[in-house]
Amino acid sequence: QSVLTQPPSVSGAPGQRVTISCTGSSSNIGAGYDVHWYQQLPGTAPKLLIYGNSNRPSGVPDRFSGSKSGTSASLAITGLQAEDEADYYCQSYDSSLSGNAVFGGGTQLTVL
Amino acid sequence: EVQLVESGGGLVQPGGSLRLSCAASGFTFSSYEMNWVRQAPGKGLEWVSYISSSGSTIYYADSVKGRFTISRDNAKNSLYLQMNSLRAEDTAVYYCARVYYDSSGTGSFDPWGQGTLVTVSS
Repeated sequence: QSVLTQPPSVSGAPGQRVTISCTGSSSNIGAGYDVHWYQQLPGTAPKLLIYGNSNRPSGVPDRFSGSKSGTSASLAITGLQAEDEADYYCQSYDSSLSGNAVFGGGTQLTVL
Repeated sequence: EVQLVESGGGLVQPGGSLRLSCAASGFTFSSYEMNWVRQAPGKGLEWVSYISSSGSTIYYADSVKGRFTISRDNAKNSLYLQMNSLRAEDTAVYYCARVYYDSSGTGSFDPWGQGTLVTVSS
Protein backbone atom coordinates (compact mmCIF):
# COMPACT_ATOMS: atom_id res chain seq x y z
CA GLN A 1 0.00 0.00 0.00
CA SER A 2 1.67 3.21 -1.18
CA VAL A 3 1.59 6.38 0.91
CA LEU A 4 0.56 8.35 -2.18
CA THR A 5 -2.42 7.03 -4.12
CA GLN A 6 -2.55 6.99 -7.90
CA PRO A 7 -5.04 5.33 -10.27
CA PRO A 8 -3.53 2.07 -11.57
CA SER A 9 -4.28 2.95 -15.16
CA VAL A 10 -5.55 5.68 -17.46
CA SER A 11 -6.00 5.74 -21.20
CA GLY A 12 -6.69 8.16 -24.01
CA ALA A 13 -6.68 8.46 -27.75
CA PRO A 14 -3.96 10.31 -29.62
CA GLY A 15 -4.45 14.06 -29.35
CA GLN A 16 -6.60 13.83 -26.26
CA ARG A 17 -5.90 15.14 -22.75
CA VAL A 18 -5.46 12.87 -19.76
CA THR A 19 -4.84 13.58 -16.11
CA ILE A 20 -3.25 11.44 -13.43
CA SER A 21 -4.04 12.16 -9.80
CA CYS A 22 -1.80 11.71 -6.79
CA THR A 23 -3.59 11.79 -3.45
CA GLY A 24 -1.73 12.16 -0.20
CA SER A 25 -2.43 13.36 3.32
CA SER A 26 -1.64 16.05 5.85
CA SER A 27 1.75 14.50 6.58
CA ASN A 28 3.06 14.65 3.02
CA ILE A 29 1.52 16.72 0.23
CA GLY A 30 -0.76 18.55 2.67
CA ALA A 31 2.22 19.38 4.87
CA GLY A 32 3.65 21.52 2.10
CA TYR A 33 6.12 19.10 0.56
CA ASP A 34 6.55 19.50 -3.16
CA VAL A 35 5.39 16.81 -5.57
CA HIS A 36 7.60 15.49 -8.35
CA TRP A 37 6.60 13.30 -11.28
CA TYR A 38 8.59 10.65 -13.13
CA GLN A 39 8.03 8.92 -16.43
CA GLN A 40 9.20 5.34 -16.87
CA LEU A 41 9.16 4.07 -20.43
CA PRO A 42 9.01 0.28 -20.83
CA GLY A 43 12.28 -1.36 -19.86
CA THR A 44 14.00 1.86 -18.85
CA ALA A 45 14.86 3.77 -15.68
CA PRO A 46 12.54 6.47 -14.37
CA LYS A 47 13.12 9.98 -15.70
CA LEU A 48 12.23 13.26 -13.98
CA LEU A 49 9.21 14.78 -15.73
CA ILE A 50 7.94 17.50 -13.39
CA TYR A 51 9.70 18.95 -10.34
CA GLY A 52 8.51 21.30 -7.65
CA ASN A 53 4.83 20.61 -8.43
CA SER A 54 4.71 22.33 -11.80
CA ASN A 55 8.16 22.84 -13.29
CA ARG A 56 9.46 21.06 -16.37
CA PRO A 57 13.13 20.13 -16.73
CA SER A 58 14.81 21.20 -19.92
CA GLY A 59 13.75 18.99 -22.80
CA VAL A 60 10.35 17.98 -21.42
CA PRO A 61 7.58 19.07 -23.83
CA ASP A 62 5.10 21.65 -22.60
CA ARG A 63 2.37 19.06 -23.23
CA PHE A 64 3.20 17.88 -19.72
CA SER A 65 2.06 20.01 -16.79
CA GLY A 66 1.70 19.56 -13.05
CA SER A 67 -0.35 21.13 -10.32
CA LYS A 68 -0.87 20.76 -6.59
CA SER A 69 -3.75 21.67 -4.31
CA GLY A 70 -4.29 20.75 -0.70
CA THR A 71 -3.40 17.10 -0.19
CA SER A 72 -3.39 16.20 -3.89
CA ALA A 73 -1.46 16.77 -7.06
CA SER A 74 -2.15 16.13 -10.72
CA LEU A 75 -0.20 15.49 -13.89
CA ALA A 76 -1.84 16.55 -17.14
CA ILE A 77 -0.78 15.43 -20.58
CA THR A 78 -2.30 17.20 -23.57
CA GLY A 79 -2.04 16.28 -27.23
CA LEU A 80 -1.45 12.64 -26.29
CA GLN A 81 1.12 10.84 -28.42
CA ALA A 82 1.94 7.15 -28.80
CA GLU A 83 5.39 7.78 -27.28
CA ASP A 84 3.73 8.93 -24.03
CA GLU A 85 2.72 5.35 -23.27
CA ALA A 86 4.57 4.68 -20.03
CA ASP A 87 4.25 4.37 -16.27
CA TYR A 88 4.03 7.60 -14.30
CA TYR A 89 4.95 8.01 -10.63
CA CYS A 90 4.44 10.87 -8.20
CA GLN A 91 6.90 11.42 -5.36
CA SER A 92 6.96 13.59 -2.26
CA TYR A 93 8.19 13.44 1.33
CA ASP A 94 6.38 12.44 4.52
CA SER A 95 6.89 13.96 7.96
CA SER A 96 5.50 10.85 9.68
CA LEU A 97 8.27 8.83 8.04
CA SER A 98 11.12 11.02 9.27
CA GLY A 99 10.82 13.22 6.22
CA ASN A 100 11.80 10.40 3.91
CA ALA A 101 10.81 10.12 0.29
CA VAL A 102 7.55 8.41 -0.66
CA PHE A 103 6.23 7.32 -4.05
CA GLY A 104 2.82 6.75 -5.50
CA GLY A 105 1.97 3.28 -6.70
CA GLY A 106 2.32 4.32 -10.31
CA THR A 107 -0.14 4.81 -13.18
CA GLN A 108 0.10 2.99 -16.47
CA LEU A 109 -0.87 5.23 -19.37
CA THR A 110 -2.19 3.49 -22.47
CA VAL A 111 -2.51 5.43 -25.73
CA LEU A 112 -5.42 3.84 -27.60
CA GLU B 1 27.11 14.45 -19.24
CA VAL B 2 25.72 13.67 -15.80
CA GLN B 3 25.68 9.90 -15.44
CA LEU B 4 25.10 7.22 -12.81
CA VAL B 5 26.04 3.61 -13.46
CA GLU B 6 25.08 0.83 -11.06
CA SER B 7 26.80 -2.54 -10.78
CA GLY B 8 27.01 -5.50 -8.45
CA GLY B 9 23.61 -7.09 -8.90
CA GLY B 10 23.11 -10.80 -9.38
CA LEU B 11 21.62 -14.00 -8.02
CA VAL B 12 22.04 -14.63 -4.30
CA GLN B 13 20.56 -17.18 -1.93
CA PRO B 14 18.22 -16.15 0.89
CA GLY B 15 20.26 -15.01 3.86
CA GLY B 16 23.15 -14.04 1.62
CA SER B 17 24.86 -10.71 1.02
CA LEU B 18 25.54 -8.45 -1.93
CA ARG B 19 27.20 -5.06 -2.38
CA LEU B 20 25.89 -2.68 -5.00
CA SER B 21 27.95 0.18 -6.40
CA CYS B 22 26.94 3.35 -8.22
CA ALA B 23 29.62 5.21 -10.17
CA ALA B 24 28.94 8.91 -10.71
CA SER B 25 30.39 11.13 -13.41
CA GLY B 26 29.78 14.51 -15.00
CA PHE B 27 29.11 16.39 -11.76
CA THR B 28 30.69 17.18 -8.39
CA PHE B 29 29.59 14.02 -6.59
CA SER B 30 30.69 15.25 -3.16
CA SER B 31 28.17 18.12 -3.32
CA TYR B 32 25.07 15.98 -3.81
CA GLU B 33 22.81 13.86 -1.63
CA MET B 34 22.06 10.42 -3.01
CA ASN B 35 19.39 7.74 -2.73
CA TRP B 36 18.77 4.11 -3.53
CA VAL B 37 15.33 3.23 -4.93
CA ARG B 38 14.17 -0.26 -5.87
CA GLN B 39 11.49 -1.73 -8.08
CA ALA B 40 10.30 -5.31 -7.65
CA PRO B 41 9.34 -7.13 -10.87
CA GLY B 42 6.11 -5.68 -12.21
CA LYS B 43 5.72 -3.39 -9.20
CA GLY B 44 6.15 0.29 -8.39
CA LEU B 45 9.04 2.30 -7.04
CA GLU B 46 10.10 1.97 -3.39
CA TRP B 47 12.52 4.33 -1.72
CA VAL B 48 15.25 2.36 0.10
CA SER B 49 17.88 4.67 1.57
CA TYR B 50 19.30 8.20 1.64
CA ILE B 51 22.76 9.59 2.36
CA SER B 52 23.81 13.22 2.69
CA SER B 53 26.63 14.70 0.66
CA SER B 54 29.17 14.21 3.45
CA GLY B 55 27.78 10.85 4.52
CA SER B 56 27.00 12.10 7.98
CA THR B 57 23.22 11.72 7.68
CA ILE B 58 21.63 8.43 6.65
CA TYR B 59 18.06 7.15 6.51
CA TYR B 60 16.54 3.77 5.66
CA ALA B 61 13.12 2.43 4.82
CA ASP B 62 11.74 0.24 7.59
CA SER B 63 11.76 -2.73 5.21
CA VAL B 64 15.57 -2.73 5.04
CA LYS B 65 16.61 -1.14 8.33
CA GLY B 66 19.19 -3.24 10.17
CA ARG B 67 20.01 -5.28 7.06
CA PHE B 68 21.18 -2.72 4.48
CA THR B 69 23.96 -0.14 4.83
CA ILE B 70 24.39 2.85 2.54
CA SER B 71 27.79 4.51 2.21
CA ARG B 72 29.76 6.68 -0.17
CA ASP B 73 33.35 7.41 -1.14
CA ASN B 74 33.52 10.97 -2.42
CA ALA B 75 37.14 10.52 -3.48
CA LYS B 76 36.04 7.71 -5.80
CA ASN B 77 32.76 9.35 -6.87
CA SER B 78 30.95 6.25 -5.75
CA LEU B 79 27.83 5.27 -3.79
CA TYR B 80 27.34 1.85 -2.24
CA LEU B 81 24.61 -0.34 -0.78
CA GLN B 82 25.68 -3.27 1.35
CA MET B 83 22.78 -5.72 1.54
CA ASN B 84 22.87 -8.47 4.18
CA SER B 85 20.35 -11.10 5.30
CA LEU B 86 18.67 -10.91 1.92
CA ARG B 87 15.12 -12.13 1.51
CA ALA B 88 13.05 -13.15 -1.50
CA GLU B 89 11.11 -9.90 -1.16
CA ASP B 90 14.32 -7.92 -1.75
CA THR B 91 14.30 -9.13 -5.36
CA ALA B 92 14.19 -5.97 -7.45
CA VAL B 93 15.99 -3.65 -9.79
CA TYR B 94 17.98 -1.25 -7.65
CA TYR B 95 18.49 2.31 -8.88
CA CYS B 96 20.75 5.01 -7.53
CA ALA B 97 19.47 8.55 -7.93
CA ARG B 98 20.90 11.98 -7.26
CA VAL B 99 18.88 14.53 -5.31
CA TYR B 100 18.23 17.70 -7.29
CA TYR B 101 17.14 20.81 -5.42
CA ASP B 102 15.39 23.58 -7.26
CA SER B 103 14.79 27.05 -5.87
CA SER B 104 11.54 26.01 -4.21
CA GLY B 105 13.11 23.62 -1.74
CA THR B 106 12.38 19.92 -1.68
CA GLY B 107 14.46 17.60 -3.77
CA SER B 108 13.53 15.53 -6.75
CA PHE B 109 15.50 12.56 -8.01
CA ASP B 110 17.51 13.39 -11.10
CA PRO B 111 19.16 11.65 -12.77
CA TRP B 112 18.69 7.93 -12.19
CA GLY B 113 21.08 5.16 -13.08
CA GLN B 114 20.07 2.35 -15.41
CA GLY B 115 19.54 -0.02 -12.50
CA THR B 116 21.00 -3.36 -11.45
CA LEU B 117 18.92 -6.48 -10.87
CA VAL B 118 19.15 -8.33 -7.58
CA THR B 119 17.50 -11.75 -7.45
CA VAL B 120 17.19 -13.53 -4.12
CA SER B 121 16.36 -17.17 -4.69
CA SER B 122 17.53 -20.64 -3.77
